[in-house]
Amino acid sequence: DTEVTQTPKHLVMGMTNKKSLKCEQHMGHRAMYWYKQKAKKPPELMFVYSYEKLSINESVPSRFSPECPNSSLLNLHLHALQPEDSALYLCASSQEKAGASIEQFFGPGTRLTVL
Amino acid sequence: GEDVEQSLFLSVREGDSSVINCTYTDSSSTYLYWYKQEPGAGLQLLTYIFSNMDMKQDQRLTVLLNKKDKHLSLRIADTQTGDSAIYFCAESLPGKKLTFGTGTRLTIIP
Repeated sequence: DTEVTQTPKHLVMGMTNKKSLKCEQHMGHRAMYWYKQKAKKPPELMFVYSYEKLSINESVPSRFSPECPNSSLLNLHLHALQPEDSALYLCASSQEKAGASIEQFFGPGTRLTVL
Repeated sequence: GEDVEQSLFLSVREGDSSVINCTYTDSSSTYLYWYKQEPGAGLQLLTYIFSNMDMKQDQRLTVLLNKKDKHLSLRIADTQTGDSAIYFCAESLPGKKLTFGTGTRLTIIP
């Protein structure tokens, strides 16, 4: 299995809602990532988990809360989002090799719309 | 700095070669990558090159790296309609962070 899966594929939420994005991989990768991608822009790194511990937080607002329950799962909890948070949210995973990840595998993304 | 620059658009006739260029500024990059993103989809890793290499070929894809000029290119031979996508170059910096270029939208002309 060389796939990263993400659910849901699309999500529409109001500014007062609480929702979660889910990401799963069964490749035995120990690093997992969340990226945000606005239309016609490159992905921007949000968070990195390494061995289920948060290793990088790119100064993301606290209305985004990541969670890594185990080595295969990565969640992104959303609360009190703003319309400008509407974007494609991409999950990725990679194998840890001597401190450098050679290849990141990306999921298909969740397209989030905040009304 | 971590700026990675690409031309925004490229149009190529079907069957011709496409050359997508990328310039980066951080000389501490360890790996340089090319990703493909089709509409509404995630990113697919096409190929990567280690920073001490000059060239890598993989079927229709050829990657050239000029480390002195910090210039990376991706050549796609015999371009097909299925090659239409946005192509991102990316550099891998110490600490496992990937920094993506601005992306080049490749359009194939029949």
